Amino acid sequence: DAMVIQNPRYQVTQFGKPVTLSCSQTLNHNVMYWYQQKSSQAPKLLFHYYDKDFNNEADTPDNFQSRRPNTSFCFLDIRSPGLGDAAMYLCATSGGGEQYFGPGTRLTVT
Amino acid sequence: DQQVKQNSPSLSVQEGRISILNCDYTNSMFDYFLWYKKYPAEGPTFLISISSIKDKNEDGRFTVFLNKSAKHLSLHIVPSQPGDSAVYFCAASVWGGSEKLVFGKGTKLTVNP
Repeated sequence: DAMVIQNPRYQVTQFGKPVTLSCSQTLNHNVMYWYQQKSSQAPKLLFHYYDKDFNNEADTPDNFQSRRPNTSFCFLDIRSPGLGDAAMYLCATSGGGEQYFGPGTRLTVT
Repeated sequence: DQQVKQNSPSLSVQEGRISILNCDYTNSMFDYFLWYKKYPAEGPTFLISISSIKDKNEDGRFTVFLNKSAKHLSLHIVPSQPGDSAVYFCAASVWGGSEKLVFGKGTKLTVNP
């Protein structure tokens, strides 16, 4: 089945220790997104790629970076996680219609 | 500054009855609206959408209504089933597609048997 896969599903990192979350897709969609969702809040767009074209949201902290080495994979790098970065991180893809989401990675910062 | 608002955090409905989930938006540039459904431990899944050129879109038990003058949309589920119990997110896009979505905070729907 075509899908959006996120690994790991649960990630624990220490305060200040860099962490990378990964997303892959088998849908061959040209757009990939990263969202942050905190408890009882709306998913908040961090950035998205249109093919290799990176689009950062104006209010996304510099602490958050992303890489898309090819169509299938996209990574979210948090350079120095703070306690406030604990959240669910959702990856999504789009081929021009609705967005398809992965199951998310729950990040805990200790 | 929330551009998409779902003012009811939760809704409880009896099985077989109608569920009505509401959503308001402030940005008049939004022209495409979507509803997503989310079960625990899963990502949101697309449910139904509507373009601003329409005022109603129907798909089986799910109907979305759009009132542009009031900047309001609603999702009707009839009849409601226990399997519909989930968090429902309203989302809006500036474009005709969904390149960038702005989400509401969600409404948790519980359908009681």
